Amino acid sequence: AQKITQTQPGMFVQEKEAVTLDCTYDTSDQSYGLFWYKQPSSGEMIFLIYQGSYDEQNATEGRYSLNFQKARKSANLVISASQLGDSAMYFCAMRGNLGGADGLTFGKGTHLIIQP
Amino acid sequence: DGGITQSPKYLFRKEGQNVTLSCEQNLNHDAMYWYRQDPGQGLRLIYYSQIVNDFQKGDIAEGYSVSREKKESFPLTVTSAQKNPTAFYLCASSPRAGHRTYEQYFGPGTRLTVT
Repeated sequence: AQKITQTQPGMFVQEKEAVTLDCTYDTSDQSYGLFWYKQPSSGEMIFLIYQGSYDEQNATEGRYSLNFQKARKSANLVISASQLGDSAMYFCAMRGNLGGADGLTFGKGTHLIIQP
Repeated sequence: DGGITQSPKYLFRKEGQNVTLSCEQNLNHDAMYWYRQDPGQGLRLIYYSQIVNDFQKGDIAEGYSVSREKKESFPLTVTSAQKNPTAFYLCASSPRAGHRTYEQYFGPGTRLTVT
C-alpha cells in the first residue's frame, strides 16, 4: 500500500517569496514516481512536476522544483518567486509499479494563498 | 485540440437513481482512470483501465461500474448502491508508450449532487 502525507492544510505567503510545500510518502515499491498537481478553484488538475525514484537529479520545471530526499521519503515542492496566480490547492501524489499503468495515490492537499 | 472531455459539468440526481458520467479522450492514450474528490480531500481512485475491454478496481470501487468498449471512452456509472455519491468526479488518461508515460492528463471534472 502507498501513502502520501501532506502536513500543511493551509499556508499564507507574501507575493514574490519562495514557498515550500511538504510531502512525505510511504511505499514498498522499489520503482515509483512522485508528482505534484495544482488545483485552482475551477477544479481542473494541472500537472506541475514529476520525479522518478531512480532520477539522480531533482526535477525542475520553470519556477517549480522538487526537493527529493529518498532516504527521508520526502518530495517537497518549492515554488520560487510566488505570484498571486499560484493561489490554489496543491496535491502531492505517487504511483508505484512504473512499468504498469496503476492509478495515483494522492495526499489531502495544501491550500496555498498568496497575499499581495 | 487534444484533450479529455467530461460532460456534463454539473449533474443532479435523485437518490436511488443510477447515473452515468461521460469521459472521452482524443489523445490516443491506452490507460484511463476515474477518481473521486470529496470537499477538502485529495483524489481517490475508483477504477482504471489499461486497455480496451479490460479494467481494474481502484481503492473505492464499491457502488460504481465502468466499461471500456472503445479506446476513447471510459464511462462511469454511479449506482444506487453507492452510499455517498455526491462528489467531484475526475477522469484522467495516460499514454502507455513513448514520451512522458508517467503523466496523467485530467479532464475538467463532473460535480455530481444526489438529493
